Amino acid sequence: DTEVTQTPKHLVMGMTNKKSLKCEQHMGHRAMYWYKQKAKKPPELMFVYSYEKLSINESVPSRFSPECPNSSLLNLHLHALQPEDSALYLCASRYRGLTLRDTEAFFGQGTRLTVV
Amino acid sequence: KNEVEQSPQNLTAQEGEFITINCSYSVGISALHWLQQHPGGGIVSLFMLSSGKKKHGRLIATINIQEKHSSLHITASHPRDSAVYICAVIPRRGSQGNLIFGKGTKLSVKP
Repeated sequence: DTEVTQTPKHLVMGMTNKKSLKCEQHMGHRAMYWYKQKAKKPPELMFVYSYEKLSINESVPSRFSPECPNSSLLNLHLHALQPEDSALYLCASRYRGLTLRDTEAFFGQGTRLTVV
Repeated sequence: KNEVEQSPQNLTAQEGEFITINCSYSVGISALHWLQQHPGGGIVSLFMLSSGKKKHGRLIATINIQEKHSSLHITASHPRDSAVYICAVIPRRGSQGNLIFGKGTKLSVKP
């Protein structure tokens, strides 16, 4: 299994809603990433988890709350989002050995989020 | 200046043509990814390479570490190759193995 699975594929939510995005992989990867991608732009890093611990938070607003409950699962909890948060949210994972330098990144298909 | 530069930004080709997309970077790297993204879709890793050349089907990727340059070639292009191709590097320094992305090259292959 060399897949990163993201659910849902599409999500429309109001600004007062609470929702969650889910990312799952069963490749034994211990580094997992959340990226945000706006149209016609490259992905922007949001969070990095290493061995289930948050290691990088790229100054993301607190209305985005990541969670890594186990080594296979990564969640992104959303609350009180703004219309400008509408984007494609991508999850990625990599094998985490002594070094990450030579390990390939695997990406999910993304969740297309629309905030109304 | 971006740390990863791609050219061209947009590319239109006729079916069957040989295509080259270029990537230059300014940081020391341990590896480089070529990624493919179809409209509205997720990202697929085509290659990860740290030296030399790799080939997969009609796709060939090369890298010159000394010159900090990589190319992606597509032979006998097909309309299904139409996508955005993104070069992303893994910096040698820094932790967590985050990728630095280029802005992408949008390829359209006409039948």
